[in-house]
Amino acid sequence: DARVTQTPRHKVTEMGQEVTMRCQPILGHNTVFWYRQTMMQGLELLAYFRNRAPLDDSGMPKDRFSAEMPDATLATLKIQPSEPRDSAVYFCASALRTGKSDGYTFGSGTRLTVV
Amino acid sequence: GQSLEQPSEVTAVEGAIVQINCTYQTSGFYGLSWYQQHDGGAPTFLSYNALDGLEETGRFSSFLSRSDSYGYLLLQELQMKDSASYFCAVRDGRDDQTGANNLFFGTGTRLTVIP
Repeated sequence: DARVTQTPRHKVTEMGQEVTMRCQPILGHNTVFWYRQTMMQGLELLAYFRNRAPLDDSGMPKDRFSAEMPDATLATLKIQPSEPRDSAVYFCASALRTGKSDGYTFGSGTRLTVV
Repeated sequence: GQSLEQPSEVTAVEGAIVQINCTYQTSGFYGLSWYQQHDGGAPTFLSYNALDGLEETGRFSSFLSRSDSYGYLLLQELQMKDSASYFCAVRDGRDDQTGANNLFFGTGTRLTVIP
């Protein structure tokens, strides 16, 4: 089965440190999303890319978060500096087509804890 | 903006049928999706409705009424493994190169299946 691969699965870091999360989308998928999930806010869209170009990152705190897609096989989400309120599970998802019956395929997530 | 409402918790007996409702308000509407998420896991795609009516996939069915801004997920012959959170999600854009195409998630319904 094709899958979205995220690394690391878990990350514990100290406040102020830089955190980088990586995602390998399914080969051939042209749309990549970053979501954040917390108990309080649920699943929130942070950013997404179409054919590697950022289309929307309005859900992302710009002062500390950045998302890039240096090539078709890698998407990154960086937090610098990290804060305790950033503790959450970060999911990457990819899709080939949207608007039809194809759903998003989510990775297993990166569970981030900032202490 | 977008808002989706679904019950926070549902409990049902193994072998029974359960319906999880979702009402939505969106600025644009291009389909209602359902995702399942087990504790500690990733959301997985279940179904998608772009048009009114019922879509059936095995034990799961999903219904949409665009005029009522309402949909539901129907789970039949409940099994213990169906215990999970279920999210409805609304797509707010078309699948084209320039249009925004976000998937906004509800807060989820936690289904507990009891023996």
